[in-house]
Amino acid sequence: DTAVSQTPKYLVTQMGNDKSIKCEQNLGHDTMYWYKQDSKKFLKIMFSYNNKELIINETVPNRFSPKSPDKAHLNLHINSLELGDSAVYFCASSQDRSGVNTGELFFGEGSRLTVL
Amino acid sequence: DAKTTQPPSMDCAEGRAANLPCNHSTISGNEYVYWYRQIHSQGPQYIIHGLKNNETNEMASLIITEDRKSSTLILPHATLRDTAVYYCIVRSQTGANSKLTFGKGITLSVRP
Repeated sequence: DTAVSQTPKYLVTQMGNDKSIKCEQNLGHDTMYWYKQDSKKFLKIMFSYNNKELIINETVPNRFSPKSPDKAHLNLHINSLELGDSAVYFCASSQDRSGVNTGELFFGEGSRLTVL
Repeated sequence: DAKTTQPPSMDCAEGRAANLPCNHSTISGNEYVYWYRQIHSQGPQYIIHGLKNNETNEMASLIITEDRKSSTLILPHATLRDTAVYYCIVRSQTGANSKLTFGKGITLSVRP
């Protein structure tokens, strides 16, 4: 019973295409995130949502558009894919306690995107 | 701007304690020390966090110096499955510095 699940796990596509990665968490958490891990293995935060509201947007190109239909889902849509978008994308979630973000993030297994 | 400094790598023998150091000399009073790890091809995993007192859970112990400028993550009996990249992160729980920002981490190799 996976806590944070992402689909697809692997995605290979051509430059210029549009693709989406879906994320769902069954932990009842309030906050969800997208992180990008590039070929040099640096993990960088892209977005975070709290109760469907965008909280963090880390100067990500506007080709990337997160969408949170409800607090259990945070999807990532990418338009006009570029070679540099090739990376592993991780979804995560965490729970606020008394209005404080505890920083205990639960990560999914990642979605490896390869742009040819 | 890195808030933490970790050696790039270390190894230890299986069954022995692994002591992973971290320097965070510019830590602010409201910032916590977090440790995560990432086993190859998996998502990062939360290990432990603390403010100033030492903390212990089922995975590890966190020792924070009295001046809070450095800390050590201790895996008491390392196993081969503990081979991973370990990230030491400094973060506040509220406000602009509450993002969880990963650095390069330290690669721990546990040898048989």
